[in-house]
Formats: sequence, structure tokens, C-alpha cells
Amino acid sequence: SQTIHQWPATLVQPVGSPLSLECTVEGTSNPNLYWYRQAAGRGLQLLFYSVGIGQISSEVPQNLSASRPQDRQFILSSKKLLLSDSGFYLCAWAPPGQGSAYGYTFGSGTRLTVV
Amino acid sequence: SQKIEQNSEALNIQEGKTATLTCNYTNYSPAYLQWYRQDPGRGPVFLLLIRENEKEKRKERLKVTFDTTLKQSLFHITASQPADSATYLCALDMSGGYQKVTFGTGTKLQVIP
Repeated sequence: SQTIHQWPATLVQPVGSPLSLECTVEGTSNPNLYWYRQAAGRGLQLLFYSVGIGQISSEVPQNLSASRPQDRQFILSSKKLLLSDSGFYLCAWAPPGQGSAYGYTFGSGTRLTVV
Repeated sequence: SQKIEQNSEALNIQEGKTATLTCNYTNYSPAYLQWYRQDPGRGPVFLLLIRENEKEKRKERLKVTFDTTLKQSLFHITASQPADSATYLCALDMSGGYQKVTFGTGTKLQVIP
């Protein structure tokens, strides 16, 4: 069966520090991968999605970036965090080629607080 | 612009009653509509998907309807239980087939014993 792992679960980082969040998927090949952010009391905002290794699409301009160095690994990064980067970051996957025809499977999320 | 609106931010309902949540969308005709459940501090969990050519879909105590004319989906939980208390999100692919799902802001359901 397929599983998705996301870490760390919580993170407190000072403004201006770098960020690296990792997400890995097991039990499937060439999944569609997604990074969402959920600010307190707000909906989920799509940040990046990827349909293959090295293929990243950015949805909103920001100081975050994403990479997909391996088929089932998706990394969210920042060189310098801002206070506004605080939020709940969620990684998700969907079967290749059919992202919206099947439900997304989400990881357990990372609660990021920038101080 | 394209929008997804879940009309109620919060809904309180008595245990045993049917909870009905609404999802409206504008300016698009999606091929699929999804519903998720999210508990505090957790990622959303996929519940049901309904296709544009399906009027209704059921799974245990859950029922989803999809009216493409009204651009609306209704999500029903029959015989609601306190364990059903959570935030429920609807989601659509409004990207024109690019497999990117946009989520509504959710409705927080509280089932009162």
C-alpha cells in the first residue's frame, strides 16, 4: 500500500533562517506531488506541484522553492524565512496523470512557526 | 475569477440528525468534485469524489450530490455522531486539466451529543 511521510512535525525557526521540509512517498511510481500551505483559520493554498522528477510548477510568487530530486521525494525550501511563512505545510500525492480524478493523500503536515 | 465557496464557516447539529454542507463554485465546470475531512492539526483525509455525470454518490452514512447547473454540491452525513465533528472541505480541479485541485475554506461541523 502507498504511504506518505512528511517531517518534521513541528518547527520553530527565526526570521531569515533557511528552511527545508521533506516529503517522501512509498508504494507508487511517478506520483503527482503537491505542497500546500494552510494559514491559521484559512483554506489550503497550493504552493507547488510536480508531475515528474525535476518538473516543478509554482503557483504563487514567494520566497519558497521546491525540488524533486527523486521520483518519490519532494522538498520545500527557503533561503530566508519571513514571518508570513508561518503556517501548516502539507504534502500530498495523487496517481500520475489523474490527479483530480482521484482523491489526494496528504501527509501529516509540518507546523512551522517563524519567530 | 474562479471561486469555491463553502457557505457556512460553522455548523452545529444535534446527534442523530442529518448534517448538510454546501459547496458552491463559479466560472468553471469541473469534471470532478472531491470532499475531505480535516481534524485539528492533521492533514485532510479524502472521503468521496463525484463526477460531473453523476448526480449522487453514497458511502456508508455519507451522501454527495453534484448539480452542474446550479454549480453546487451538497454533502450529507446521516445519523450524525459526535465523532463526525471536524472541518469538511470541498475541492475542485479548476486548472483546466492540469491536475491541480483548489480547496474551499471548509465548514466546521460540531455534532452535539
